[in-house]
Amino acid sequence: ETGVTQTPRHLVMGMTNKKSLKCEQHLGHNAMYWYKQSAKKPLELMFVYNFKEQTENNSVPSRFSPECPNSSHLFLHLHTLQPEDSALYLCASSSGARGPGNTIYFGEGSWLTVV
Amino acid sequence: EDQVTQSPEALRLQEGESSSLNCSYTVSGLRGLFWYRQDPGKGPEFLFTLYSAGEEKEKERLKATLTKKESFLHITAPKPEDSATYLCATSEGGGKLIFGQGTTLQVKP
Repeated sequence: ETGVTQTPRHLVMGMTNKKSLKCEQHLGHNAMYWYKQSAKKPLELMFVYNFKEQTENNSVPSRFSPECPNSSHLFLHLHTLQPEDSALYLCASSSGARGPGNTIYFGEGSWLTVV
Repeated sequence: EDQVTQSPEALRLQEGESSSLNCSYTVSGLRGLFWYRQDPGKGPEFLFTLYSAGEEKEKERLKATLTKKESFLHITAPKPEDSATYLCATSEGGGKLIFGQGTTLQVKP
């Protein structure tokens, strides 16, 4: 499945580093999302962008900074992270983020380890 | 508070042994019930969307059903390649999915 592409697939960073996760969707969708998947926990929504506008910030700490320059690209900028931020970060997209529950399609994820 | 609970947490089946996975939900305004499959180290793969009680959908050995309080994922004559974690999620619209913990299925040959 290449509809939603995430890079890098694996990232190891120190607590003082600054790095970014990149996501690109090739499905012609208008909404993009960041989800976090930690061990033994359900997937957790972080951010929602609809037509490049942020419509949801699920109380995410400011050390995670999203950017959506257009409907096809989404970034997650990371700085001064903590070891407990180590997780699988999943990008997703859907045709829209309003109205009925549109199907959300996920990328393969970026495995982040904070040391 | 909206909640999604999946059971069992883990399920071991012999090849060909049919069974069902359960997803119970409490959502004030359901706008969709989603099933995903997730293989280790990969992102969730979309399986089904159900919108109203009584709705059913099928794909190969999988069949999803929906009532007002729960959804079932029936697996008929499973094969080892069906081994994965199956995730259930509800939507209230607005692009927000609430996920359950998942059921990890292992099918032995």
